[in-house]
Amino acid sequence: AQSVSQHNHHVILSEAASLELGCNYSYGGTVNLFWYVQYPGQHLQLLLKYFSGDPLVKGIKGFEAEFIKSKFSFNLRKPSVQWSDTAEYFCAVNAMDSSYKLIFGSGTRLLVRP
Amino acid sequence: DGGITQSPKYLFRKEGQNVTLSCEQNLNHDAMYWYRQDPGQGLRLIYYSQIVNDFQKGDIAEGYSVSREKKESFPLTVTSAQKNPTAFYLCASSTTTNGYGYTFGSGTRLTVV
Repeated sequence: AQSVSQHNHHVILSEAASLELGCNYSYGGTVNLFWYVQYPGQHLQLLLKYFSGDPLVKGIKGFEAEFIKSKFSFNLRKPSVQWSDTAEYFCAVNAMDSSYKLIFGSGTRLLVRP
Repeated sequence: DGGITQSPKYLFRKEGQNVTLSCEQNLNHDAMYWYRQDPGQGLRLIYYSQIVNDFQKGDIAEGYSVSREKKESFPLTVTSAQKNPTAFYLCASSTTTNGYGYTFGSGTRLTVV
């Protein structure tokens, strides 16, 4: 069965610090990869996605992620976080089978201190 | 505007009662999904449907039931067999031509007392 692991459950940073959130998945075939963000009291929003091509993907709000196929990883990064980045971040994987379902990681709660 | 509507936003039920959560979309998406969100566990897939009159169990389907009689609607029933029904429930929809294009609803918080 497919699974997604997010190793950091809670992260606390000061503003301007760099961020890297880990995401690993288990699936041997072709995958689409996603990072979603959920700000307090808001809907899940798509931050960025990877389907193919350049493994370094840029998303909204200065976020980027790098797909490393050999490591089954899709880590999220931001060079300098802001207080407004305080949210919960979810990595998700869609195996390129016929189901189109997304499998989510357990999430990482990020708190950015001003 | 196109989107997904989940209702109600908050729902309280007594233990032992079945309850149905509504999910309606006007995006013309073929696929619809129900997820359960619990603190520290992320989103877990309950049921999904790729076409009308067809649906599949997700990872935690026990104690839940769904129907897909119309393309726009995918209601979820939380039955009395669900041992821990208090949670936040999210509905989503997507196209079926590829794996992206998920749109999420605003969720329903169910509390069973």
